Amino acid sequence: KAGVTQTPRYLIKTRGQQVTLSCSPISGHRSVSWYQQTPGQGLQFLFEYFSETQRNKGNFPGRFSGRQFSNSRSEMNVSTLELGDSALYLCASSLTADSNQPQHFGDGTRLSIL
Amino acid sequence: QKEVEQDPGPLSVPEGAIVSLNCTYSNSAFQYFMWYRQYSRKGPELLMYTYSSGNKEDGRFTAQVDKSSKYISLFIRDSQPSDSATYLCAMSAAGGTSYGKLTFGQGTILTVHP
Repeated sequence: KAGVTQTPRYLIKTRGQQVTLSCSPISGHRSVSWYQQTPGQGLQFLFEYFSETQRNKGNFPGRFSGRQFSNSRSEMNVSTLELGDSALYLCASSLTADSNQPQHFGDGTRLSIL
Repeated sequence: QKEVEQDPGPLSVPEGAIVSLNCTYSNSAFQYFMWYRQYSRKGPELLMYTYSSGNKEDGRFTAQVDKSSKYISLFIRDSQPSDSATYLCAMSAAGGTSYGKLTFGQGTILTVHP
């Protein structure tokens, strides 16, 4: 069974640009969560989608947004990139919307801002 | 104060040692507890998942949860060099504003030397 797939694996952008990251969940999983991982702050929750609806959002500015498609694939977008947005962006999927379902992570997209 | 505290280490042990990793938390709403292992340049891999107080064993790994003390542990028996990684504890509450949200510790860097 294929795991969570994130593309691209690496991305280099400059300040002010925007970026879109993609996540394909494990087949049959309908909930997708996104996290930002940095050395200073660790793993921080960005948002969660289920059935194309954002149900929860972390404490990040509005420049961070996302969406989910009918096949459960998800994208996140960051606009007006800042140097501090350099991080590993991780996507995780779980079977259902229930909090008791474990999350499985992809290998992330490493975003570097110049 | 962070909701989840985890000693970042680093922790260095000889092969065959018993390793003890710990996290404390302050949010009494947390009901689900996980341990993830993260190798360099990879995403977190789920090792253990529990929701009740007590012990859960899986091979060389034992997860322990003490909700009354708000303390969780992961024990690794007969540690191997391949166990060298960053270990992350994670927790979640049920439903509502907790949909899809895991709260992570900072991670403990473990090195097992031959």
